[in-house]
Amino acid sequence: NAGVTQTPKFRILKIGQSMTLQCTQDMNHNYMYWYRQDPGMGLKLIYYSVGAGITDKGEVPNGYNVSRSTTEDFPLRLELAAPSQTSVYFCASRALGDYEQYFGPGTRLTVT
Amino acid sequence: TQLLEQSPQFLSIQEGENLTVYCNSSSVFSSLQWYRQEPGEGPVLLVTVVTGGEVKKLKRLTFQFGDARKDSSLHITAAQPGDTGLYLCAGESGSARQLTFGSGTQLTVLP
Repeated sequence: NAGVTQTPKFRILKIGQSMTLQCTQDMNHNYMYWYRQDPGMGLKLIYYSVGAGITDKGEVPNGYNVSRSTTEDFPLRLELAAPSQTSVYFCASRALGDYEQYFGPGTRLTVT
Repeated sequence: TQLLEQSPQFLSIQEGENLTVYCNSSSVFSSLQWYRQEPGEGPVLLVTVVTGGEVKKLKRLTFQFGDARKDSSLHITAAQPGDTGLYLCAGESGSARQLTFGSGTQLTVLP
């Protein structure tokens, strides 16, 4: 049982490039979330999903897109990377009826 | 937009001292969660408080949810170096139980 896994761990992008951050959970959780954490700050919600095929915007969705074709996977897409997207990105999942969100180890992204 | 103000932002204390971290909002939350985060890792849940006025204890850590469910506090008794880390409060709201995080308290306990 690996929990929530994220790839890659680190990535450096040039301005204007695009990439997909991968997130997979093996706990059969309905709910999945993407957050970003800037240095010295708490986490801000980017997008979330309540199940396969259903996604919705969080607090800071601009510049990002998501999809949820399976229960296990919830990739986050950056289309035109900007320096403001330099951050650490965390994926989390939660079981229906449970309070706890389980977080992955994060992806550290730098846009230069 | 719901906001959670967490204080203090930084706290450096000696081993054996007591401390309290505060989390305040003008919004009502369904529950209030406290997470701890180590460098290079994701946050890990410490406790969830659900009922206004609720107090939960986890060894030397005491968590309290305000009567109006807008604020919470974390009190650590006799802090130890192993308590060092980033403590985050998070308020839950919405149908998907979305979390709004505070900005965090970086705690350093010196031996």
